Amino acid sequence: GENVEQHPSTLSVQEGDSAVIKCTYSDSASNYFPWYKQELGKRPQLIIDIRSNVGEKKDQRIAVTLNKTAKHFSLHITETQPEDSAVYFCAASSETYKYIFGTGTRLKVLA
Amino acid sequence: GAGVSQSPSNKVTEKGKDVELRCDPISGHTALYWYRQSLGQGLEFLIYFQGNSAPDKSGLPSDRFSAERTGGSVSTLTIQRTQQEDSAVYLCASSFSGGNQPQHFGDGTRLSIL
Repeated sequence: GENVEQHPSTLSVQEGDSAVIKCTYSDSASNYFPWYKQELGKRPQLIIDIRSNVGEKKDQRIAVTLNKTAKHFSLHITETQPEDSAVYFCAASSETYKYIFGTGTRLKVLA
Repeated sequence: GAGVSQSPSNKVTEKGKDVELRCDPISGHTALYWYRQSLGQGLEFLIYFQGNSAPDKSGLPSDRFSAERTGGSVSTLTIQRTQQEDSAVYLCASSFSGGNQPQHFGDGTRLSIL
């Protein structure tokens, strides 16, 4: 069945450094890849998404890259700040099926 | 505009009781999803409603779990004869039609089984 692998499970970076989280999907029909940020005790919130017709998308300090051939996509956070500390989930989907979520990455930004 | 609304925000009940959790999606969203999240864990898919199609129930963990979506809007997740392992946060999300649309989550219901 469909599967999304997410790495690393935990990531600690110094404030101001960059953080990269990687996900790999199995179904070549996947064409939509959202990323969610979940702060402790809060709802998951969509922070950025990418569709399969583009290779990269940026929004201020956040960017997502997609490699369809290799079936992987990555979240890049630059100039990390303490408020970036949270759990991040990737997901893959298509028109015909629901999201398949990754297992999450706990990011800690050390001041 | 209003986001996804879930009620109650917290529910404490005794083992063996039935519980009903409610989700009111964003107006105009035809797709509705239920997820379960145990403490410190990921998002476990439970059930997916899309318009008038038969729901995808493939994630329901046992026959004690059921869900309805009446009139294509509000959904109710029912857990019968609750067990301690049912303790978790139950999250609802909605989106425009199709699987490849942004899902918007509610704040969840924190269910505790004593």
